[in-house]
Amino acid sequence: EPEVTQTPSHQVTQMGQEVILRCVPISNHLYFYWYRQILGQKVEFLVSFYNNEISEKSEIFDDQFSVERPDGSNFTLKIRSTKLEDSAMYFCASRGTGSPTGELFFGEGSRLTVL
Amino acid sequence: AQSVTQLGSHVSVSEGALVLLRCNYSSSVPPYLFWYVQYPNQGLQLLLKYTTGATLVKGINGFEAEFKKSETSFHLTKPSAHMSDAAEYFCAVSVNYGGATNKLIFGTGTLLAVQP
Repeated sequence: EPEVTQTPSHQVTQMGQEVILRCVPISNHLYFYWYRQILGQKVEFLVSFYNNEISEKSEIFDDQFSVERPDGSNFTLKIRSTKLEDSAMYFCASRGTGSPTGELFFGEGSRLTVL
Repeated sequence: AQSVTQLGSHVSVSEGALVLLRCNYSSSVPPYLFWYVQYPNQGLQLLLKYTTGATLVKGINGFEAEFKKSETSFHLTKPSAHMSDAAEYFCAVSVNYGGATNKLIFGTGTLLAVQP
């Protein structure tokens, strides 16, 4: 069964460092998302991406964040200068055109720890 | 704006007992509703969804949910809990904007514990 894969599963970084989280969405999907879940809190929407551009972003997704689909298969989230409060589980998700109801397929997440 | 409220951040049931996880939504347009499950150290897995049609929807692992428009609810139930059901459950709402987002808005989650 096709699945969304994310790397790394866990990354520890120092405050102020740049981090890139990678995702390989399901191959025929066209809509891509990043969500995050701070420990003990709800899953929050960060950004959606379609047709090589951001279609919507939340207020969390400030200038420190960026997304890219560099090669037609990977979908990356970059945090330019990490803060302690960026520590969270980051989930990538994708959706195909055959899913107009909005069902998203999630990866297993990348846990980011900022020290 | 759409939102989801899950009542009870922690629910504990005995093995074999009824599971009832509550979800209420707010939406100005007909919503699409979802329940996702997150097992420890894993991602989010779709349990079931309501889009249109039959208001009682069945999902995986014996779970079902009923869409009640009059109560703006979409509670998740399972007649008999199993130890393997211990996980965190998230209710989510999506609104079809007809555009490129169709983002999901999640509730705060309910952690289900199953006692032997």
